[in-house]
This record gives sequence, C-alpha cells and structure tokens, in this order.
Amino acid sequence: EADIYQTPRYLVIGTGKKITLECSQTMGHDKMYWYQQDPGMELHLIHYSYGVNSTEKGDLSSESTVSRIRTEHFPLTLESARPSHTSQYLCASSELQASTEAFFGQGTRLTVV
Amino acid sequence: TQLLEQSPQFLSIQEGENLTVYCNSSSVFSSLQWYRQEPGEGPVLLVTVVTGGEVKKLKRLTFQFGDARKDSSLHITAAQPGDTGLYLCAGAGYTDKLIFGTGTRLQVFP
Repeated sequence: EADIYQTPRYLVIGTGKKITLECSQTMGHDKMYWYQQDPGMELHLIHYSYGVNSTEKGDLSSESTVSRIRTEHFPLTLESARPSHTSQYLCASSELQASTEAFFGQGTRLTVV
Repeated sequence: TQLLEQSPQFLSIQEGENLTVYCNSSSVFSSLQWYRQEPGEGPVLLVTVVTGGEVKKLKRLTFQFGDARKDSSLHITAAQPGDTGLYLCAGAGYTDKLIFGTGTRLQVFP
C-alpha cells in the first residue's frame, strides 16, 4: 500500500476563496507531481518537483502554485478559486531515478461554486 | 511537448473477449509504464517496459514496447469484469517528468 496522502478528499468552496490542497508522502521520494484530471479522462501534469526547493510547471497551464520546503510535503495553492478550477487533483511521488513507479494519492475532488 | 495518444478511447466488450489498447507518440521515451485506475482512486502501476521490443506478461495481460521506444500496446486475453477500469500509459522522457496518455476506458460485461 502506497504511503501518500491527500487531504481533503472532497472540497466544495465558493468563488474567490483561497484554498490549499495537501499532499504528504512517507517514502522519502524526491520526485513529486500534481496532476489534474476530469472524471474518466487523461491526467494533465500541472506541477512537479525533483526535491526540496525545486518546483517546475507542467504541460498544462495552471493558476495554482506549489512549494517544496520539506521532502515529504508538496502542497498546492489556489489564491482565488473559480468554477473553471473544478476538477480532481492527484498527487504522486516516485524515486529520483527514471523508470520508477509513481505512487498516487486518492485525489482531492474540488468543486468551486 | 511530448504527447501520448491512446486508442481506442472507449471499449465495451463481453466477458471472454480479447482486446488490444495502443499507446502512440512521435517522441522517444526512456521507459513506458501502464497504469490502471478505478473510480475514486489514483492510478496503480501494472508494468514498466524499458527496452525497445520488450514484451512483458502479467497473467492475462501482455505488454509490448515498440522497437523505436515510441509506442506500446496492452493486450488482454479473455477479459473479465474485474478488468474494467481506465487504462493509462505513461512515458518518461528527456526531462524524466512522467507524462500520461489520453486514456482508454474499458468496460467488460458479464
């Protein structure tokens, strides 16, 4: 069983609110990722990190920001939520070497009303 | 931008049938992975292939990596309802970030 956790699982929030989605892993992985996924659809990479103080934007443009102050923690923040941000957000981690398995959290389903 | 196109997008079959899912790209990948995702959960790794032409078998599932490391296929023999889910290929490219394919939603009816 993967030791990567996301909170909250579900979040309904009003337009304009600031939100932070939490992601923590206890496997000591250097790489961490945030993906955005609409139900049953492909995963779009929005942010990734190779380690502490490393953050990169993914292929899908996102108004969210991330930080990596500790190896185990990779939170994602939306300063002002909009209905277009409604989606599922999946966090993942893996070892630094290429070709290694990515372990996923259960996701946060965000609804902005 | 590296893109991974999967086909078909949707597949609905009867139990016992065979099927093949394709994952294609114009980019070369250092490795390619296949994941399965069930509703409400994150994707779970099925297999990783790293060598061009490599074939791996996992019970009724057979995975192949193309010779040029640009494409892959997943073949399921005698599909079962438990195989139902979203199948995703994922490639690690020159930057080592993991890029996912467009996905294939498989429904197997009893």
